[in-house]
Amino acid sequence: QSALTQPASVSGSPGQSITISCTGTSSDVGSYNLVSWYRQHPGKAPKLMISEVSKRPSGVSNRFSGSKSGNTASLTISGLQAEDEADYYCCSYAGSSTYVFGTGTKVTVL
Amino acid sequence: EVQLVESGGGLVKPGGSLRLSCAASGFTFSSYSMNWVRQAPGKGLEWVSSISSSSNYIYYVDSVKGRFTISRDNAKNSLYLQMNSLRAEDTAVYYCARESSNFDLDQWGQGTLLTISS
Repeated sequence: QSALTQPASVSGSPGQSITISCTGTSSDVGSYNLVSWYRQHPGKAPKLMISEVSKRPSGVSNRFSGSKSGNTASLTISGLQAEDEADYYCCSYAGSSTYVFGTGTKVTVL
Repeated sequence: EVQLVESGGGLVKPGGSLRLSCAASGFTFSSYSMNWVRQAPGKGLEWVSSISSSSNYIYYVDSVKGRFTISRDNAKNSLYLQMNSLRAEDTAVYYCARESSNFDLDQWGQGTLLTISS
């Protein structure tokens, strides 16, 4: 049950695209197409942004997209906006109704 | 509108006990698995525990096994976390979260802060 590895910080200018990686193991990310991504603004609850590796829940902007290759999942934010400045966490199903979160990435809009 | 409202947090001495509650509304509570997720001050999210819709399946992260007990009352639309033998490292905001059929956590409460200190 070790945390998935994410970069501590990623930054970009408004309008640019950024990608956040999320590296796990063959027991979690690599075993299931059940990686989700959450955005968390300071002092707020997390919000689901991507489900099942690449699916956007209703209401989430199409600027957010997800993918996975092997044991690494990725979140891409295109057309970066000021409101995207937040912490982002990946999460993988790890079997038997257990989950493991990533270490978190602080996104800064320059 | 889906709402999850946690309560019961506070200041507890090491070794003490506390029960957190999560009141659910706006959806058929008895149809969903529910989870507790915590976040230590300035740290990342950590999954803590899950309980299936009918309480048949219950799981915990290793660090709380034997100390925490998750439960639910579907008649009261409520989720609980009984925490015993509390340690300083249990200090965190505790969120309850609904688990969707896609194995993600699609609805979250606002969280309740638990502080363990003497």
